[in-house]
Amino acid sequence: GAGVSQSPRYKVAKRGQDVALRCDPISGHVSLFWYQQALGQGPEFLTYFQNEAQLDKSGLPSDRFFAERPEGSVSTLKIQRTQQEDSAVYLCASSLVVGFGNQPQHFGDGTRLSIL
Amino acid sequence: GENVEQHPSTLSVQEGDSAVIKCTYSDSASNYFPWYKQELGKRPQLIIDIRSNVGEKKDQRIAVTLNKTAKHFSLHITETQPEDSAVYFCAAISPSYGKLTFGQGTILTVHP
Repeated sequence: GAGVSQSPRYKVAKRGQDVALRCDPISGHVSLFWYQQALGQGPEFLTYFQNEAQLDKSGLPSDRFFAERPEGSVSTLKIQRTQQEDSAVYLCASSLVVGFGNQPQHFGDGTRLSIL
Repeated sequence: GENVEQHPSTLSVQEGDSAVIKCTYSDSASNYFPWYKQELGKRPQLIIDIRSNVGEKKDQRIAVTLNKTAKHFSLHITETQPEDSAVYFCAAISPSYGKLTFGQGTILTVHP
């Protein structure tokens, strides 16, 4: 496809359940980012991959959050033992390269996660 | 780390008027400044960006200016239309971090 694809679009889970969110970046994009967007706020950085390497995970709020990109394309964000404060929209973005001369980041539609 | 402040938080204009949104950033090493438009329930959509070696960039009704000395940049929308109504986010990338830091967003409402 032409853009960043995320699934599911909506996820409802009970507190304590584990969830997995998928991101399929634009083909050929080296860099992949996960952001968390709370209602009425700007997106906040969670983690960043360059190909399969997770180079920055400083934004992950707790050790319940885990992300992977094993083959350097599709990425999965996993949240274990979900809490109500995890409710948010999780956005994935990809870009061609990272570094000096930064390239634009293109976002997916996000996954809206609601924890009951 | 980088900190981006955005003002105003809400902006209401009449159709045809101009709208200006301002942002400041803290990391002098930041070198790339995109602007995103986000409609309700939709993805942030890149509308314009500027790199630190340029002072101004224009694309039809949209322009962005950058003042590196003062560490601030602004979005200018001329001849606003109702379909410009959305939340606008500024952002900055610092090479040392390689991630976007977003402002708090501006809710723009254009009244017909």
